[in-house]
Amino acid sequence: NAGVMQNPRHLVRRRGQEARLRCSPMKGHSHVYWYRQLPEEGLKFMVYLQKENIIDESGMPKERFSAEFPKEGPSILRIQQVVRGDSAAYFCASSHGQGAYNEQFFGPGTRLTVL
Amino acid sequence: GQQLNQSPQSMFIQEGEDVSMNCTSSSIFNTWLWYKQDPGEGPVLLIALYKAGELTSNGRLTAQFGITRKDSFLNISASIPSDVGIYFCASSNAGGTSYGKLTFGQGTILTVHP
Repeated sequence: NAGVMQNPRHLVRRRGQEARLRCSPMKGHSHVYWYRQLPEEGLKFMVYLQKENIIDESGMPKERFSAEFPKEGPSILRIQQVVRGDSAAYFCASSHGQGAYNEQFFGPGTRLTVL
Repeated sequence: GQQLNQSPQSMFIQEGEDVSMNCTSSSIFNTWLWYKQDPGEGPVLLIALYKAGELTSNGRLTAQFGITRKDSFLNISASIPSDVGIYFCASSNAGGTSYGKLTFGQGTILTVHP
């Protein structure tokens, strides 16, 4: 059973370009969380999605950032018009259900560098 | 927003020594978790704690959920070189509107000298 997959592992963009980060959850998982990690910091929650629905986007910047988890295919975190401050590692995690007893399994992350 | 204060920030120890790190919060949580992150990878769950006062072991690792529900500690006994990495505490309040989203501490960087 493959774990959470993220691609690309590394992404380099110039200021103003768009970044698309993909996350394929573990088989059987329908809950996806996205987190951002700045250098030498802990992970910060961005958004929580279930299939086709955004449940909680309280941690996601209101502008330029969007997320989706379509019925078919991976979850996508999209950053438009990237700026240098967007440089970070972006992790997604998936779980079987929501709540404390449903462990979140993390992917290896996408490291975004904005030049 | 909710924050976790994790200490120490970094530790340099000799192989075989015991290690202790802790996390505190101004808010009450009903779940405490400890993760390890290796360079270039995502966090991996080490221990999960669901009940105030709970003491749980996983091999050489022991963690406790504070009775006040505002703190937790992680102990590693007889450290070995592969214990090197960044250790994070995390907590959540499942139920209601929190949906189990995790709040992370700042991390403890552990270096083990052979």
